[in-house]
Amino acid sequence: EDKVVQSPLSLVVHEGDTVTLNCSYEVTNFRSLLWYKQEKKAPTFLFMLTSSGIEKKSGRLSSILDKKELFSILNITATQTGDSAVYLCAPIIQGAQKLVFGQGTRLTINP
Amino acid sequence: GAGVSQSPSNKVTEKGKDVELRCDPISGHTALYWYRQSLGQGLEFLIYFQGNSAPDKSGLPSDRFSAERTGGSVSTLTIQRTQQEDSAVYLCASGNRATDTQYFGPGTRLTVL
Repeated sequence: EDKVVQSPLSLVVHEGDTVTLNCSYEVTNFRSLLWYKQEKKAPTFLFMLTSSGIEKKSGRLSSILDKKELFSILNITATQTGDSAVYLCAPIIQGAQKLVFGQGTRLTINP
Repeated sequence: GAGVSQSPSNKVTEKGKDVELRCDPISGHTALYWYRQSLGQGLEFLIYFQGNSAPDKSGLPSDRFSAERTGGSVSTLTIQRTQQEDSAVYLCASGNRATDTQYFGPGTRLTVL
């Protein structure tokens, strides 16, 4: 059975801190992995990772994939209150096209 | 349009009634997906369309759930004889075969009383 585990489930930090969110997965026929930010209802796309060891960056956010150890991390530096959200990771299954979501990490940034 | 749109944004219905949820994908996206998110749960895959056909409907929880897509565009998710456990946010996403990225709509919050 396909499985995605994110940790921590919840994280509370102060503005300006750096955070690392973890995603480990066990899926058949892995194709790529996506990270999303969910503030209210609609998850918004952050990154797509296909190759191991290649860091993707967007401003203060960055992410990397390790296909050997089956995990990915999402880093956020100099956090701001607007970063408060649930962060979701989701591998895509080759052929099936569907995303398999983890429970998410609820990140709260306090001023 | 600029993004995926869904309607209605909120729907309250009585147990046993049928409901229809609509999704308008991003123009030109051939792939369309339905997911649902129950309170405190992760997103759960329901069905995937490529064009008008559904090669993967493995996530539909029961035969009360059905979906169709017409003209390679708009999709409708129908839930018959709704039950309280159907209460959730139903999210639609679209994408194209050139990339795996799926773009989500704002969702429909369904409440079954």
